[in-house]
Amino acid sequence: EDQVTQSPEALRLQEGESSSLNCSYTVSGLRGLFWYRQDPGKGPEFLFTLYSAGEEKEKERLKATLTKKESFLHITAPKPEDSATYLCAVQPGGAAGNKLTFGGGTRVLVKP
Amino acid sequence: GAGVSQTPSNKVTEKGKYVELRCDPISGHTALYWYRQSLGQGPEFLIYFQGTGAADDSGLPNDRFFAVRPEGSVSTLKIQRTERGDSAVYLCASSLGRTQYFGPGTRLTVL
Repeated sequence: EDQVTQSPEALRLQEGESSSLNCSYTVSGLRGLFWYRQDPGKGPEFLFTLYSAGEEKEKERLKATLTKKESFLHITAPKPEDSATYLCAVQPGGAAGNKLTFGGGTRVLVKP
Repeated sequence: GAGVSQTPSNKVTEKGKYVELRCDPISGHTALYWYRQSLGQGPEFLIYFQGTGAADDSGLPNDRFFAVRPEGSVSTLKIQRTERGDSAVYLCASSLGRTQYFGPGTRLTVL
């Protein structure tokens, strides 16, 4: 069974204080690892897809990296508008290859 | 262009009643997904459509839950004999390739 564990559950940062979020996973053949951002009362908003170990993607203050066991979302010099829940999800390969299995998310609060 | 839309945004019902939740995917997206998200948790997969047919319904919790997509576009999630444990946010997503794009969700409250 595919499993995704995110840590920490919550993270409080001062504006400008860089940090990293962890996503550990077990999956039967990784087809893709996805990062989403979710604001309160909204649906998840797509950020990145990573397909293979060693791959990195960047967008503004966010950078996602992938190894064979985990992914990291690095937040560099965060601003209050980066406050949100960040969700990680895996998509398995093979016949079960379309549904996403999500972790519980990391709630990030950036204080000015 | 328009994103995924879901109606209603909120639904309050009484235990035992029947409810329908609607999802309008991004135009041209062939795949459509339903997920359920409880408070403080990540979304959990319910069902996936490719075109009109349900390609994977392994996440439906029991036979009170049913979903249709008769013309390969709009989808309706139907819940019979609702229970208090069905209270959650029901999310719909659509995709053309691997990336799934989510709607805002329907918050279902069963009293």
